[in-house]
Amino acid sequence: AQKVTQAQTEISVVEKEDVTLDCVYETRDTTYYLFWYKQPPSGELVFLIRRNSFDEQNEISGRYSWNFQKSTSSFNFTITASQVVDSAVYFCALSEEENAGKSTFGDGTTLTVKP
Amino acid sequence: DSGVTQTPKHLITATGQRVTLRCSPRSGDLSVYWYQQSLDQGLQFLIQYYNGEERAKGNILERFSAQQFPDLHSELNLSSLELGDSALYFCASSAGTGEYQPQHFGDGTRLSIL
Repeated sequence: AQKVTQAQTEISVVEKEDVTLDCVYETRDTTYYLFWYKQPPSGELVFLIRRNSFDEQNEISGRYSWNFQKSTSSFNFTITASQVVDSAVYFCALSEEENAGKSTFGDGTTLTVKP
Repeated sequence: DSGVTQTPKHLITATGQRVTLRCSPRSGDLSVYWYQQSLDQGLQFLIQYYNGEERAKGNILERFSAQQFPDLHSELNLSSLELGDSALYFCASSAGTGEYQPQHFGDGTRLSIL
């Protein structure tokens, strides 16, 4: 069975600080897909990134970066120089190749960035 | 704007009633997914349809059913509603069957059971 753990329930930082959101997953599949989504206070879910299990290359997109390590089953998300607009709930999700439509989400991490 | 449209945005009804939530996927997307987000259960996958056929099933109650129509829009039917069904229901769509494409979410339908 697949499982996603986001151990950090809430994180509070001051603007311009760097912050890392942790995501640890469990799966028996060798091929799987990892995602991060953002849910701002307005409530909609916004896709941020997708990673395939066979691609361990880290990714940077502006102030966002993702560190995928299969050895530790982790897919962590770092925001550099955080801004107030980054305040949101962030979800990590996993789907396995055999049942790719069935995503399992972590409980989410609520990030508050204070001015 | 994700391109996924959900209606209605808000729905208030009573226990025992039946409601239908509607979702129009992004243009060109063949897969539609339904999720339930509640305070105690978090974000839960309910069901996926791909080009009119059921593709994957998650924690969907027997009182709930869904379908995808030939024009690819989807409806989620919730019947014999209980207080615990109060939640935010999201629809998402993707281009393919789910392996390689991210899911793009609608704004959700907030269902309140009184």
